[in-house]
Amino acid sequence: AQTVTQSQPEMSVQEAETVTLSCTYDTSESDYYLFWYKQPPSRQMILVIRQEAYKQQNATENRFSVNFQKAAKSFSLKISDSQLGDAAMYFCAYTLRPNFGNEKLTFGTGTRLTIIP
Amino acid sequence: DAMVIQNPRYQVTQFGKPVTLSCSQTLNHNVMYWYQQKSSQAPKLLFHYYDKDFNNEADTPDNFQSRRPNTSFCFLDIRSPGLGDAAMYLCATSRGVWGRDSSEQYFGPGTRLTVT
Repeated sequence: AQTVTQSQPEMSVQEAETVTLSCTYDTSESDYYLFWYKQPPSRQMILVIRQEAYKQQNATENRFSVNFQKAAKSFSLKISDSQLGDAAMYFCAYTLRPNFGNEKLTFGTGTRLTIIP
Repeated sequence: DAMVIQNPRYQVTQFGKPVTLSCSQTLNHNVMYWYQQKSSQAPKLLFHYYDKDFNNEADTPDNFQSRRPNTSFCFLDIRSPGLGDAAMYLCATSRGVWGRDSSEQYFGPGTRLTVT
């Protein structure tokens, strides 16, 4: 079975600084997707960034980037120039490469990120 | 805007009184999911529909049922809510067809269920 581990229950960062959230996963599969989802307080969960396992290049989305280490099964999220609106619970998630119905996400336990003004 | 809508946002029910939560989507996605999320925990998948095919998770209690009458709507029925069923219930959708974007799940705002 696939598992996703987030070892940092809480993190805090000064506004405008950079923070890195950690995630490790365990799988015997070679073709999968990894995600970081953001869940702000009392608001809906949204996708922050996605990484396909077959791609060697790390994904980036504006201030958000990942460090994907496939051999180490590590998938960290770096947030640059942190903003107050980045405060949220961040979930790391895994799914097998979509194949008509096996898109189930396995979530980590989450990291609550606080931005200090 | 295309979206996932959940009604109501807050639901209070009595212990043992059946309750139904509603989810609708304008994305025309094939797959719809129901998650249970307790405070400060990760979402836990209860079941999902691929079109009309129902897929139950092995550890989902029989107390939880679901219906998907058409592509747009999906319902979560809790037949006899217990105090332990108090949680946020999240509905999500995904395209469910081959392609890079098919893996992304789109979440609704959730329904917070309180059991008294």
